[in-house]
Amino acid sequence: VQLVQFGAVVKEPGESLTISCKASGYTFTNYWIAWVRQMPGRGLEWMGIIYPGDSDTRYSPSFQGQVTISADKSINTAYLQWTRLRASDTAMYYCATLYSAGAFDYWGQGTLVTVSS
Amino acid sequence: EIVLTQSPATLSLSPGEGATLSCRASQSVSSDLAWYQQKPGQAPRLLIYDTSNRATGIPARFSGSGSGTDFTLTISSLEPEDFAIYYCQQRNNWPWTFGQGTKVEIK
Repeated sequence: VQLVQFGAVVKEPGESLTISCKASGYTFTNYWIAWVRQMPGRGLEWMGIIYPGDSDTRYSPSFQGQVTISADKSINTAYLQWTRLRASDTAMYYCATLYSAGAFDYWGQGTLVTVSS
Repeated sequence: EIVLTQSPATLSLSPGEGATLSCRASQSVSSDLAWYQQKPGQAPRLLIYDTSNRATGIPARFSGSGSGTDFTLTISSLEPEDFAIYYCQQRNNWPWTFGQGTKVEIK
């Protein structure tokens, strides 16, 4: 089981962004995959989760309306999207899947998003 | 939203000592609680799921206990590689939530 994320991206405030998480080594459609934010020097925040099999998606109220989580079953990839970035979106973003345990047992290496003018 | 409160915020201990980390939920999460370890510059690693089940490859010195609203992660004898930040996380109710973390540092 492997989740691959791109390392880093720099954007300006107001720009849009989509980051990805490519899964391999398991049946992508059968397991929930989540996004977790970690702001610099801070703890983990659960953003939301998607079941790629039927695209059932749940969001934390803190992130509802701020981001969009989606998945493309044809290429085993989950996405996290912003339409208008803010400086406060600067953070590391991890994807993680619930595979063999009732918790996030496989994690991507994270994508560092920096939003700065 | 279920709030998870971890204590203490920081634990200063020496290698070989035991560590007891607490996670308290604002309402019952049954046994749907997990613990993660995170080291600087790394993604979190699952240690314990469903309160007391060790994840694959996790040493026996890590154990979890509790139910309902009060949970404990115990490290029986700290190894140098155990100094890190530990987070609890519940999956009983949407939205799933994390605790704020406990840092285990070298005394």
